[in-house]
Amino acid sequence: DQQVKQNSPSLSVQEGRISILNCDYTNSMFDYFLWYKKYPAEGPTFLISISSIKDKNEDGRFTVFLNKSAKHLSLHIVPSQPGDSAVYFCAASATDNAGNMLTFGGGTRLMVKP
Amino acid sequence: ETGVTQSPTHLIKTRGQQVTLRCSSQSGHNTVSWYQQALGQGPQFIFQYYREEENGRGNFPPRFSGLQFPNYSSELNVNALELDDSALYLCASSFSGGAAETQYFGPGTRLLVL
Repeated sequence: DQQVKQNSPSLSVQEGRISILNCDYTNSMFDYFLWYKKYPAEGPTFLISISSIKDKNEDGRFTVFLNKSAKHLSLHIVPSQPGDSAVYFCAASATDNAGNMLTFGGGTRLMVKP
Repeated sequence: ETGVTQSPTHLIKTRGQQVTLRCSSQSGHNTVSWYQQALGQGPQFIFQYYREEENGRGNFPPRFSGLQFPNYSSELNVNALELDDSALYLCASSFSGGAAETQYFGPGTRLLVL
């Protein structure tokens, strides 16, 4: 039972355009959501997070949108740059979970073409 | 500020052997979580340590065990290694202060079981 899903395994975008990465979840207890970027041979790097009390959070070129009724979140990258090419993971946690474990999606590989 | 470090970076073991992986948490963090990432998948939560005690566990057998030390560093031990244990093992540290936590990851240890 996959509680966090990223249905697009890959996405290709032209440099300068918008990249939109999507994530769906099923567990209504999740109340904190994060996006991580991962390069080969490195650990995941934290990008941006959002609490369930918000529906949008921005940090520079990165914006995360949360639609609680649809149990859906998305990451927008504007403008996309070749250095953004990586695998992106969404993750979710429930603050009353023992251990505040993160549940990850399967990842989306983003390729930004020059 | 020192980030999360892990050792060793790579390891090759044979089936049935035991392995110990090590993690130093980011300065100021008091909680360490361990994840297993199989090829092509998102990280899977193994367990978390807080104040030197296990504070939550994912769906992993007891042959996966851990320790946290007074300086908040941690070890992951895996006994009776199986071929399916071949994966990237990620350590993440965070500060547990009662609110939602952001976990910061180390570079990982790649384990190959032959």
